[in-house]
Amino acid sequence: GAVVSQHPSRVICKSGTSVKIECRSLDFQATTMFWYRQFPKKSLMLMATSNEGSKATYEQGVEKDKFLINHASLTLSTLTVTSAHPEDSSFYICSAKSHPNPYNEQFFGPGTRLTVL
Amino acid sequence: SQQGEEDPQALSIQEGENATMNCSYKTSINNLQWYRQNSGRGLVHLILIRSNEREKHSGRLRVTLDTSKKSSSLLITASRAADTASYFCATERAGGGNKLTFGTGTQLKVEL
Repeated sequence: GAVVSQHPSRVICKSGTSVKIECRSLDFQATTMFWYRQFPKKSLMLMATSNEGSKATYEQGVEKDKFLINHASLTLSTLTVTSAHPEDSSFYICSAKSHPNPYNEQFFGPGTRLTVL
Repeated sequence: SQQGEEDPQALSIQEGENATMNCSYKTSINNLQWYRQNSGRGLVHLILIRSNEREKHSGRLRVTLDTSKKSSSLLITASRAADTASYFCATERAGGGNKLTFGTGTQLKVEL
């Protein structure tokens, strides 16, 4: 149980285009989803927290108009990188939490590698 | 901001040896978690230790937590080549809304 999927696993796009990444909880309802960004050989940096049915909360320094997050259902959150540029190239990982969650455990997706040319 | 620092940054050992990784953090926490990441893949949750716990075991893993020193260690006993991966600690800050702050990670290489 507790499987989280991401789609696509890899995406290459041209500079200036927008890219949508999906995060799905496959066998549980995720009241909260988190989006992280990871540069090569670096740690994960939290970008935003997404609660179903409400606006996402962004971490300091993350542009909300650049990284649009939609958590429209209890099993799906999407991250759209708008007007992507080469510096947006990164590994994007989502995680999901259910409620109740006595161990406060987050379940991570396999990640999406974005390359902007 | 990144609050977790891990050392060593990289560790190379022989199969069968034990591997110890350390994590330090700066604020009060609800719990500390350890994750494993194979190259270019997602994270796998290994173990969670609560702030009122001092030691926890899971298979070949042993985690300790010293809240007075704000540090934790992960010990992998009898390592295997398949343990080769990056290991991250992550802290859930007290009053932090369940958000996790990840450490800088330790790259472990287990050689045959």
